Amino acid sequence: GAVVSQHPSRVICKSGTSVKIECRSLDFQATTMFWYRQFPKQSLMLMATSNEGSKATYEQGVEKDKFLINHASLTLSTLTVTSAHPEDSSFYICSARNAVSAEAFFGQGTRLTVV
Amino acid sequence: QKEVEQNSGPLSVPEGAIASLNCTYSDRVSQSFFWYRQYSGKSPELIMSIYSNGDKEDGRFTAQLNKASQYVSLLIRDSQPSDSATYLCAVNFNTPLVFGKGTRLSVIA
Repeated sequence: GAVVSQHPSRVICKSGTSVKIECRSLDFQATTMFWYRQFPKQSLMLMATSNEGSKATYEQGVEKDKFLINHASLTLSTLTVTSAHPEDSSFYICSARNAVSAEAFFGQGTRLTVV
Repeated sequence: QKEVEQNSGPLSVPEGAIASLNCTYSDRVSQSFFWYRQYSGKSPELIMSIYSNGDKEDGRFTAQLNKASQYVSLLIRDSQPSDSATYLCAVNFNTPLVFGKGTRLSVIA
């Protein structure tokens, strides 16, 4: 399958700081990428759809000013958690979808801990 | 509302048995169906894609699709303890993939 690289895999930050997570599709161009978060023992929750060259589309209840998404190229999308709080601690996962097959491939995920 | 339904489990099967995982979806126009495996603390991994009615086999995995019944399943033959994970069904409704909540499979040695 295709490779989607996400980093960092783990990050610990202090409350009030910002954290940037990068997601790269390594062997195909992804005009659309997706950002999810997942709490322990719960299902994936779609946060936003990242569109190359345009604004992201956020799901209901997701604060766009808090979770900044940038999709500057066909292979890179970034998620910045701004002014992080302990309740933002979670597992964040990006996904890139092959436009031809519709198969979606996931990055390794980023475990964010806000202290 | 586009929905994908799965039994949450846990589904327990003995080593060597066939594990059968089921999924139903709400929208008849769906064209692409996927099964993902997610180990605890890891991100999902694509294991099967299926696009047309019938069976598709890949090693020990067989995906079955019945569009008339809006039903897709995954069979795992000769189940191994390493198959113990949560299996997510995903359906392409021509927007972001919609995931079921997953079925937790436990293969007992």
